[in-house]
Amino acid sequence: DAGVIQSPRHEVTEMGQEVTLRCKPISGHNSLFWYRQTMMRGLELLIYFNNNVPIDDSGMPEDRFSAKMPNASFSTLKIQPSEPRDSAVYFCASRVAGGEDTQYFGPGTRLTVL
Amino acid sequence: GQQVMQIPQYQHVQEGEDFTTYCNSSTTLSNIQWYKQRPGGHPVFLIQLVKSGEVKKQKRLTFQFGEAKKNSSLHITATQTTDVGTYFCAGRTSGTYKYIFGTGTRLKVLA
Repeated sequence: DAGVIQSPRHEVTEMGQEVTLRCKPISGHNSLFWYRQTMMRGLELLIYFNNNVPIDDSGMPEDRFSAKMPNASFSTLKIQPSEPRDSAVYFCASRVAGGEDTQYFGPGTRLTVL
Repeated sequence: GQQVMQIPQYQHVQEGEDFTTYCNSSTTLSNIQWYKQRPGGHPVFLIQLVKSGEVKKQKRLTFQFGEAKKNSSLHITATQTTDVGTYFCAGRTSGTYKYIFGTGTRLKVLA
């Protein structure tokens, strides 16, 4: 298995632009998580989906952030408009609910907003 | 809200020395997981603890879950340069899918 796939790996954009981050979870996994990592705030859970349905989005910073999971093999995290304080590494993780509960993280997208 | 703190924040050790990081939750946990993140990498699952007082070992790594299920520790015996990275605990409370990650302990091993 290729693991969790994220794209792009690096994104540099200017303030005010729309940014879309993409994630392909591991096949067969039914839970998907979006995290943001910064030096100041550590690893924060933004939103998680179970069976493609958003269960908890309480970690989404504000209305500029939105996430979708149209099917079991694809999710997006969109920031519109982007701001310099959104600069961070964004991780997607997937797992099979129950059992060992292991979260498998993707390689992350390093976002820089100028 | 639930908080998970780790100490120390940073630790520098000489190769061969032991290392311990401690994880403390503000609430009782259903289970706790540990992850390792290499510099520039992504968190990688190490282990999960579920039972009160549980102790698990993986080669030189020993993981412990407190009796009250509010704290946990990771101990590395005789560190090696390959142990470099940040170690995170992540706790889940009963009735939720959500894991709250700790603040992490960054380990540097000096050869």
